[in-house]
Amino acid sequence: DAGITQSPRHKVTETGTPVTLRCHQTENHRYMYWYRQDPGHGLRLIHYSYGVKDTDKGEVSDGYSVSRSKTEDFLLTLESATSSQTSVYFCAISGDGHDYTEAFFGQGTRLTVV
Amino acid sequence: RKEVEQDPGPFNVPEGATVAFNCTYSNSASQSFFWYRQDCRKEPKLLMSVYSSGNEDGRFTAQLNRASQYISLLIRDSKLSDSATYLCVVNGGDSSYKLIFGSGTRLLVRP
Repeated sequence: DAGITQSPRHKVTETGTPVTLRCHQTENHRYMYWYRQDPGHGLRLIHYSYGVKDTDKGEVSDGYSVSRSKTEDFLLTLESATSSQTSVYFCAISGDGHDYTEAFFGQGTRLTVV
Repeated sequence: RKEVEQDPGPFNVPEGATVAFNCTYSNSASQSFFWYRQDCRKEPKLLMSVYSSGNEDGRFTAQLNRASQYISLLIRDSKLSDSATYLCVVNGGDSSYKLIFGSGTRLLVRP
């Protein structure tokens, strides 16, 4: 399995609090992604990164920010958590030096905002 | 219109059946295509890449039709262990590394 670790794996937080999820990889892959998965919507791209300090928005980026200060870490921050952000969050990596490679996923973070 | 569309199912089939899933995509510039499998409460895992000429891996066959912009997955001789959600994945045509997922098709294989 690809070396991807997400932390925390589970979190319950209160509305209005900031939350940061961490994705750590040991594969030196260039591209990293954050997705959220909700019933009936499948996986939706929040933000992605194509290099250190290079990030871009996905289709559901409102209310989220990201940072990538080094190749191995990609952080997702909810500035002020809302109940609509209760979801399962997956980090993924791709790009082992070839174009058009598949993505490998972390085990997911289950976030509940109460 | 969603960029990648799949029939959500569920497809409920007996063991040994052949089942086919289709997926359509909207961006004609897309160049990478994959099928992923996701078990309940687990992360998605790559099942197979989809090549222009079509490709087969054991009981699984994937086809790509660029003209009609659809991808298919055929599973022969279904096993109980094939029960899962199958996700169609396409790269965004404007950036090759942006992967777009369909909502998934759920397969239930019964004894």
